[in-house]
Amino acid sequence: NAGVMQNPRHLVRRRGQEARLRCSPMKGHSHVYWYRQLPEEGLKFMVYLQKENIIDESGMPKERFSAEFPKEGPSILRIQQVVRGDSAAYFCASSRGQGNTYEQYFGPGTRLTVT
Amino acid sequence: ILNVEQSPQSLHVQEGDSTNFTCSFPSSNFYALHWYRWETAKSPEALFVMTLNGDEKKKGRISATLNTKEGYSYLYIKGSQPEDSATYLCASNSGNTPLVFGKGTRLSVIA
Repeated sequence: NAGVMQNPRHLVRRRGQEARLRCSPMKGHSHVYWYRQLPEEGLKFMVYLQKENIIDESGMPKERFSAEFPKEGPSILRIQQVVRGDSAAYFCASSRGQGNTYEQYFGPGTRLTVT
Repeated sequence: ILNVEQSPQSLHVQEGDSTNFTCSFPSSNFYALHWYRWETAKSPEALFVMTLNGDEKKKGRISATLNTKEGYSYLYIKGSQPEDSATYLCASNSGNTPLVFGKGTRLSVIA
């Protein structure tokens, strides 16, 4: 029973490039959450998606960041025109039900470095 | 904005000692409280999800209590072992808003 998969594990981008982070939820889970961990900070919520729908994107920066979770395939977090401040660890989690009374299962994270 | 506080920030105990740490959260409109265990170089692992005032949950040597009226939860580890060394995160939310995570308590168990 594979857990939550994220790739790549490490990603280096130069300023102005695009970063694409992928997350495959656990089998049977249709709810995906993205979190960001900045250096010396805790996990911060970014976006919550269900298949083909964005449920809550209140934690997403208004510009350059977007997320999707298509009917087929992984969830994608996309950062356009990256800046140094985007350097962080990005974690995705999945759950089997809606709402925060279900356990969230986390992936290993993608560490993005912007040079 | 919901604020989740954890204390202490870090803790060193001897193998065999029992220990506990605290998670504080706003009690108004409380919805759920999560505890996670995060070992270095691994993913956060869910320990408990708690929703009811007075709830107590247990998994092996680890247990947690919840007081939603005063806004705190305790995590207890009985007879700490070196493999318990990790960062313990709690997260809470109000209404059906996203989870807000504390910064964690980093536990080191010395053999």
